Amino acid sequence: NAGVTQTPKFRILKIGQSMTLQCTQDMNHNYMYWYRQDPGMGLKLIYYSVGAGITDKGEVPNGYNVSRSTTEDFPLRLELAAPSQTSVYFCASSNQQGAADEQYFGPGTRLTVT
Amino acid sequence: AQSVSQHNHHVILSEAASLELGCNYSYGGTVNLFWYVQYPGQHLQLLLKYFSGDPLVKGIKGFEAEFIKSKFSFNLRKPSVQWSDTAEYFCAVNTMDSNYQLIWGAGTKLIIKP
Repeated sequence: NAGVTQTPKFRILKIGQSMTLQCTQDMNHNYMYWYRQDPGMGLKLIYYSVGAGITDKGEVPNGYNVSRSTTEDFPLRLELAAPSQTSVYFCASSNQQGAADEQYFGPGTRLTVT
Repeated sequence: AQSVSQHNHHVILSEAASLELGCNYSYGGTVNLFWYVQYPGQHLQLLLKYFSGDPLVKGIKGFEAEFIKSKFSFNLRKPSVQWSDTAEYFCAVNTMDSNYQLIWGAGTKLIIKP
């Protein structure tokens, strides 16, 4: 199993550009998550999904959109990129959103907006 | 608001030294607690978790953590570290009030000198 994969690994965007961060998992997990990690800070939840066709906002959703058309894929869309979106983005998945369920992470995407 | 504090952002130790990384959370109710680790060039992965039962939990690679409810703490320990323990360590908590979404500490970068 590849687990959770993310592309690209690195990206530089100009202010106002758009891009999609890809995330795919091959573990048949229902739950998927997008986090961002800013320097010196903990991970912040952007969006999550409890299954295909169902998404919900996390703590910091502004400036982002998601979709979940299949169990495997959970892309994150940045529309009009801003410098404040410079961050490292992690995708994760879990079998269920249980109290003690482990999340499995992708390698991260380092995004710089200039 | 619920939060997680990791007291040390950077820790440098020599091999064979004992390790204790602090983690405190702010929430008065039932919590589920996690330590995740990110080794250089690798994905974030679960080190150990606590959700009920024995407050002393053992994880992979000889790590353990103790939940002390009265101190709102979940410190990570290892009696004798190795160079391969060099990594970033994250404490996280979820609760019913967080809808079981993880709330993360800022992380501690641990460097082990050979």
